[in-house]
Amino acid sequence: DAMVIQNPRYQVTQFGKPVTLSCSQTLNHNVMYWYQQKSSQAPKLLFHYYDKDFNNEADTPDNFQSRRPNTSFCFLDIRSPGLGDAAMYLCATSRGLDSNQPQHFGDGTRLSIL
Amino acid sequence: AQSVTQLGSHVSVSEGALVLLRCNYSSSVPPYLFWYVQYPNQGLQLLLKYTTGATLVKGINGFEAEFKKSETSFHLTKPSAHMSDAAEYFCAVSDRYNNNDMRFGAGTRLTVKP
Repeated sequence: DAMVIQNPRYQVTQFGKPVTLSCSQTLNHNVMYWYQQKSSQAPKLLFHYYDKDFNNEADTPDNFQSRRPNTSFCFLDIRSPGLGDAAMYLCATSRGLDSNQPQHFGDGTRLSIL
Repeated sequence: AQSVTQLGSHVSVSEGALVLLRCNYSSSVPPYLFWYVQYPNQGLQLLLKYTTGATLVKGINGFEAEFKKSETSFHLTKPSAHMSDAAEYFCAVSDRYNNNDMRFGAGTRLTVKP
């Protein structure tokens, strides 16, 4: 089945130690998104790629970076994680940027900071 | 900019009872509307969406929602709750004239009692 896969499902890192989360998709979608979701809150968009074009949300901290080496893969890099960065990170894809396109989500990576 | 308000952060129903999850939107233009479901430790899954045409939209798992422009609402219903419906439900709105600007509500946690 075509899908969005996130690895790992659970990630533990130390305060200030860089961490990378990965996302892959078999849907061949043009757009890939990264969301941060804290407990009992709505997902918050961090940034997205439309093909190789990177679009950062205005309030996304500089600590968060992303890479998309090809259509299938997208990475979220957190350069110096703080305690406030503990959250579920969701990757999503969509066929295009048209507003009527639904987003397809992976199961997320739950990040804990020690 | 558009926004979504979900009335009731927690809803509890008995198995077999009607499910009603409320969503009101604010948008200066006709919106696109979505309902997503999130099971514990999983990503969001699209239940249904409204873009144009028929205002009563049927989705997966027996859910449906009705777009009511006069009430700026898009409430989600299911005639008979099942234990497996227990999850977090998110309403989302996007601006049909502004690509890639989907806004999620804060979510409603549905509990189903036996």
